[in-house]
Amino acid sequence: NAGVTQTPKFQVLKTGQSMTLQCAQDMNHNSMYWYRQDPGMGLRLIYYSASEGTTDKGEVPNGYNVSRLNKREFSLRLESAAPSQTSVYFCASKWGGPINSNQPQHFGDGTRLSIL
Amino acid sequence: SQQGEEDPQALSIQEGENATMNCSYKTSINNLQWYRQNSGRGLVHLILIRSNEREKHSGRLRVTLDTSKKSSSLLITASRAADTASYFCATVLFSGGYNKLIFGAGTRLAVHP
Repeated sequence: NAGVTQTPKFQVLKTGQSMTLQCAQDMNHNSMYWYRQDPGMGLRLIYYSASEGTTDKGEVPNGYNVSRLNKREFSLRLESAAPSQTSVYFCASKWGGPINSNQPQHFGDGTRLSIL
Repeated sequence: SQQGEEDPQALSIQEGENATMNCSYKTSINNLQWYRQNSGRGLVHLILIRSNEREKHSGRLRVTLDTSKKSSSLLITASRAADTASYFCATVLFSGGYNKLIFGAGTRLAVHP
């Protein structure tokens, strides 16, 4: 049972390059999330998706786009990478919608992204 | 500013000792969750305590919640080297049309053999 799988695990980009971070979950969860984690700070929500075909902005959406391709997959795209986007990116999923608060989130192992 | 803040930022103890981490938050919450993060890995959910609960246990973990003081604590009893990790509290509050999970900056726990 893989849970939440993120690819790639590491990536180095140059400023201005674009890339897509991939996330897939096999738990049949409705809700999926993208966070970034920076040193000395907690995780901050970039975007979330309540169900297939819907996406909404979180706390720090600027510079990012997302696609909920199907129920399993939720991708995060950096169109023009900037050094400020150097971070560790985590995808998470949970059962139920974003109104349901009593279900835990399940996290992938992250993508470590460096932008030079 | 962050909704949840853990204290201390770092904690170093010997195997067999108890470890206590505290979390304070600012606004009313639906529930509070604790997560563990091993180095280089994703977060793993440990325990969820609802706003109408005061204490919850799971194995060697004990979580308390004091909504009047807007604080929670996580106690790990009889710690083991494998408990070495960062621990995060996350408060759940309804904002912007959905239930947000707001994380603190975490407590780094080191358990020495």
